[in-house]
Amino acid sequence: KAGVTQTPRYLIKTRGQQVTLSCSPISGHRSVSWYQQTPGQGLQFLFEYFSETQRNKGNFPGRFSGRQFSNSRSEMNVSTLELGDSALYLCASSGRLAGALDTQYFGPGTRLTVL
Amino acid sequence: GESVGLHLPTLSVQEGDNSIINCAYSNSASDYFIWYKQESGKGPQFIIDIRSNMDKRQGQRVTVLLNKTVKHLSLQIAATQPGDSAVYFCAENRAGSARQLTFGSGTQLTVLP
Repeated sequence: KAGVTQTPRYLIKTRGQQVTLSCSPISGHRSVSWYQQTPGQGLQFLFEYFSETQRNKGNFPGRFSGRQFSNSRSEMNVSTLELGDSALYLCASSGRLAGALDTQYFGPGTRLTVL
Repeated sequence: GESVGLHLPTLSVQEGDNSIINCAYSNSASDYFIWYKQESGKGPQFIIDIRSNMDKRQGQRVTVLLNKTVKHLSLQIAATQPGDSAVYFCAENRAGSARQLTFGSGTQLTVLP
């Protein structure tokens, strides 16, 4: 069974640009969550989507947005990039059932560098 | 404020010894706890989880202990191997917060030959 896949794996952008990252969850999973990982702040929750609806959002500015498609694939977008957005962006999938607290499985991440 | 914290940022153990990694959490409403292992260049890998109605759970070479009285979580790794070298994170899922994990800062485990 294929795991969570994320594309691209590496990305270099300059300040002011925007970027779109993609995540394909494990087959059958309906929940996709996004996390940002930096050396200073650690792993921080960005948002979670379930059946194309954003159910939860972390404490990040509106420049960070996401969406989920009917096949559960998800994208996150960061607009007007800042140097501080350089991070590893991780996607996690879980859940066939809306109410279940089941395990989140992570993808390998997308390493974003903002110059 | 509410947080999940690990007691030690680094831990070195001899190959073959047992490892114990500790974590403290502050939100008594949390009802699901998970340990992840992250190797360099990879995403976090699920190790083991435990729900708040349990105090112990065992997996293959790993045991998680939950002490709700003092809000403490630990991961025990038996017969530590070189492949266990990684950063270990504890995470909590707070009740009612869907699938939003709050992570600790991580412990770097180094296995010495």
